[in-house]
Amino acid sequence: QQKVQQSPESLIVPEGGMASLNCTSSDRNVDYFWWYRQHSGKSPKMLMSIFSNGEKEEGRFTVHLNKASLHTSLHIRDSQPSDSALYLCAASHQGGRALIFGTGTTVSVSP
Amino acid sequence: GALVYQYPRRTICKSGTSMRMECQAVGFQATSVAWYRQSPQKTFELIALSTVNSAIKYEQNFTQEKFPISHPNLSFSSMTVLNAYLEDRGLYLCGARETDSNERLFFGHGTKLSVL
Repeated sequence: QQKVQQSPESLIVPEGGMASLNCTSSDRNVDYFWWYRQHSGKSPKMLMSIFSNGEKEEGRFTVHLNKASLHTSLHIRDSQPSDSALYLCAASHQGGRALIFGTGTTVSVSP
Repeated sequence: GALVYQYPRRTICKSGTSMRMECQAVGFQATSVAWYRQSPQKTFELIALSTVNSAIKYEQNFTQEKFPISHPNLSFSSMTVLNAYLEDRGLYLCGARETDSNERLFFGHGTKLSVL
């Protein structure tokens, strides 16, 4: 079922640094990508979504999407300790099926 | 705002017994509810997608016989884990959205299942 792969598996970032996370789908029918963040012991919360080629920025978070390669990336600039969490990438089809989640990247921001 | 309440938050059951978890949408109509299991290693697996007035679609490795789901109205869904064994341990999450299209899912807090 794992058609969404994320890398790296884990990442340590100094406070104030940049975190870069990658996600690729092997399902060519995927049209939409989502990034969720899950703090320890909490439910996942959506951070950003991207449907079109290019870049989207919201505050300290930027996502890129290359639909040809089905690759998306999430970049967190000026990382804060509160950004320490599991980051999940999800993909879905245009037909409105449920999201398929990736393996996740655990980000630890060291003060 | 849109909220999803899921209960119980934690449950322990004996091997071979069953347990039911429930998911309540508040502030929006849960047309679609997706049930996921997050393993202790944090891997997310989609169990099934339930859409009101449509058949429930189970993913490979998950069956209605093992994980029966009820989605009787636009605010409630439940799932039962029948004959739970060690490999069924994990955090079960329901994610709901208002339409049957590509909208964000709102997740409940999850039901953590431990099996003795």
